[in-house]
Amino acid sequence: GAVVSQHPSRVICKSGTSVKIECRSLDFQATTMFWYRQFPKQSLMLMATSNEGSKATYEQGVEKDKFLINHASLTLSTLTVTSAHPEDSSFYICSARDDRGLGGYTFGSGTRLTVV
Amino acid sequence: AQSVTQLDSQVPVFEEAPVELRCNYSSSVSVYLFWYVQYPNQGLQLLLKYLSGSTLVKGINGFEAEFNKSQTSFHLRKPSVHISDTAEYFCAVSESSGSRLTFGEGTQLTVNP
Repeated sequence: GAVVSQHPSRVICKSGTSVKIECRSLDFQATTMFWYRQFPKQSLMLMATSNEGSKATYEQGVEKDKFLINHASLTLSTLTVTSAHPEDSSFYICSARDDRGLGGYTFGSGTRLTVV
Repeated sequence: AQSVTQLDSQVPVFEEAPVELRCNYSSSVSVYLFWYVQYPNQGLQLLLKYLSGSTLVKGINGFEAEFNKSQTSFHLRKPSVHISDTAEYFCAVSESSGSRLTFGEGTQLTVNP
């Protein structure tokens, strides 16, 4: 089945530094990937839609300069949290849509970001 | 715009009992419907999906769901739950293949011995 690898699974960084999270589709191509943020005991909040070869589409209220998204190939999208602050601490999850049109969205295993 | 309502935030049940997790959606167009399961500190795993065809959809781990267009519902059921089914369950909808998923608030299923 379709597999999405998300790395790292857990990261701790200092305030003011940047952190990059990778989302890779292992056995399928994904023109479109999605980035979500999840707070404890809450649902997933869509942050942005990442499209290969073009600029990401950000949801209202999400700072595009803070959360940089790059989707340079059909199998890889990255999310960079720039100048991280403690309030950016959260669980980030990516999802990839299979280009074969099987109607599925495969999720990565998530990244727990802690900013100290 | 579409929306999803999961009617129960928490559902406690005993092992081997049947369970139903309720999901209602709202949309002005035809939809695709999904149920995902999330274990602590992990991503989401697809349980089942409805795209078209038979309204009764069977998924992994013995789960099934029925799409009811007139009631705009997509309730998830399992006839006999196990301790290992304890997890958060999310219902989601998209208005077309490849468009954004909209999630419900989630239902925490806790299976007690």
